[in-house]
This record gives sequence, C-alpha cells and structure tokens, in this order.
Amino acid sequence: EAGVTQFPSHSVIEKGQTVTLRCDPISGHDNLYWYRRVMGKEIKFLLHFVKESKQDESGMPNNRFLAERTGGTYSTLKVQPAELEDSGVYFCASSQDVRDTIYFGEGSWLTVV
Amino acid sequence: AQSVTQLDSQVPVFEEAPVELRCNYSSSVSVYLFWYVQYPNQGLQLLLKYLSGSTLVKGINGFEAEFNKSQTSFHLRKPSVHISDTAEYFCAVSKYNFNKFYFGSGTKLNVKP
Repeated sequence: EAGVTQFPSHSVIEKGQTVTLRCDPISGHDNLYWYRRVMGKEIKFLLHFVKESKQDESGMPNNRFLAERTGGTYSTLKVQPAELEDSGVYFCASSQDVRDTIYFGEGSWLTVV
Repeated sequence: AQSVTQLDSQVPVFEEAPVELRCNYSSSVSVYLFWYVQYPNQGLQLLLKYLSGSTLVKGINGFEAEFNKSQTSFHLRKPSVHISDTAEYFCAVSKYNFNKFYFGSGTKLNVKP
C-alpha cells in the first residue's frame, strides 16, 4: 500500500514567486493534515481537512497560504507570494478516522531566496 | 494552550548504551501523548502513544515511554541503542479530538559505534 506522497520533495524559489505543494494521502483516508517545520523549530499545525471540507485552519499563518482538497482526494497548498520566512519543510499527513494513527509523508522542502 | 518542551536538541550516545530523551508538556486539559521518529530522508513514523491506562507504554524498535502526570513528562527510553536508531525524535501532544498535534522542537539522537 502506498503511503502519503508529497511533491515536490525539494523546491527553491525566489521571493515573490508562487509555489504549489501537492499531497496524495493514503487511499481511503478522509482526514488530511498539513504541518510545517521552519528551520530548527517545532513542527506546527497548519490545517485539517475532513474529505473536502476544512475542519480546522487555525494554523494557517496568513492569507498568502491557500489549501484546497477538491473532491476529497489529493490536496494542494499554495504559497503566493512566497516570503523568506516561508522556508521550511511542509509535511502532509492522513488518517482514516480522526482517532486512528496519523501517517506522515516525507515532507516538501521549500527554500525561498 | 498546549506546549511541548524537548530540552535536549542533540543527544550523542554510544552503541548498546541506554538512552533517555526527555519531553515535558503543559496543558490546561487532559492530553494524549505521542513520540514520532524521523529517520534520514523519511517521513515521521509513530513510535508509541499514550491514550489511557498503564502509564508505561511500549512501542516499536524496543522503545518505551512513561507518562508521569504529576511531573507532566513523557520521557522516551531504550535500554540499548543501535546505530540504526540514529534519527530525530519528536514528542507531541493532542487534545481529545486528535485533530491537531503540538510538537516539541525535536531531539537528534546520534548513536556512535
């Protein structure tokens, strides 16, 4: 069974540009999460989807970040325009039920220069 | 609000020695506790979790952790480490609804031969 897959694994963009990160959860998992780890800091919650609905987006830093999950399958996280402080690792995770084990992807490394 | 403190950012240890990775948390409500591990170039993997019941929790790869409510701690231990345990370890808490994890800043375990 395929795990949580994220694309791209690494991205280097200039300040002001746009980047879109994609996450494919484990098949059948209704719950999808985005987390972010800024260099050397703790991993922080961004948002939680249940199917296509945003259950909790309290961790989204500002309106430059837009997450979507059309059709309740894969999700995208767009950063527009990117700023230097957006650099870090963006993790996606999924679970079948909210109380089940949450499986994480390998992360998308974003560097804004 | 919840917060998690991992005081040791790096822990060097020789192979076959015991190790303890410390985790303290603060919360105004009851929480569930988790340890995740990230091996190089991989995603986060669940090591163990405490939801209720026995305060001593056993996980994968010979790790265990003990929940201490009075000291608000959930330290991770292994009696004899292997080179393959070299990784970064994250302590995390969640509230009853499970939809959001609060992570510590991580502890890098470096096992030397």
